[in-house]
Amino acid sequence: EPEVTQTPSHQVTQMGQEVILRCVPISNHLYFYWYRQILGQKVEFLVSFYNNEISEKSEIFDDQFSVERPDGSNFTLKIRSTKLEDSAMYFCASSATLLTDTQYFGPGTRLTVL
Amino acid sequence: KNEVEQSPQNLTAQEGEFITINCSYSVGISALHWLQQHPGGGIVSLFMLSSGKKKHGRLIATINIQEKHSSLHITASHPRDSAVYICAVRVVSKIQGAQKLVFGQGTRLTINP
Repeated sequence: EPEVTQTPSHQVTQMGQEVILRCVPISNHLYFYWYRQILGQKVEFLVSFYNNEISEKSEIFDDQFSVERPDGSNFTLKIRSTKLEDSAMYFCASSATLLTDTQYFGPGTRLTVL
Repeated sequence: KNEVEQSPQNLTAQEGEFITINCSYSVGISALHWLQQHPGGGIVSLFMLSSGKKKHGRLIATINIQEKHSSLHITASHPRDSAVYICAVRVVSKIQGAQKLVFGQGTRLTINP
């Protein structure tokens, strides 16, 4: 069964460094999302992406964050200058259509900022 | 006040018991999702509902749009059902192509043998 994959599974970085989290959505899906979950807290929406542009973003998704679909398969989340509070599990998800399809989640990347 | 509230926050039951997890929301939605999060962190989508009821195996999900309430039921519960169950709503947006999900805090379910 097709699945969303994410790399790396765990990323450790120093505060102020840039990180890129990578996702490979399901191949025929058109809508892509990033979420994050700080340890012990609920999942939070970061951004949705469709047709090579951001369709919606949350207040969390400030200028430090960017997303890109550099080729036909990858979908990346970049954090330009990481802060301690960026430590969280980051989930990528994709869906085939906007209204009728469920979202399929990747296994997550655990980001630890030291 | 949270836009999505789940109850209970924690639930422990014996194998075989009938389980109900509730979700109430305060915003306009176009759909509601029930998700399962395993101890390792992975998230699996169980249901997406916009009205009525859906059933998959031992899982049943219902939604009442007028009352802004949904329930997830598990019949004949089993220890492998132990996980965090999350309700998430797709908020109605004027932005074309937008599909923001707002999540509840999750219900931690433990089924003892």
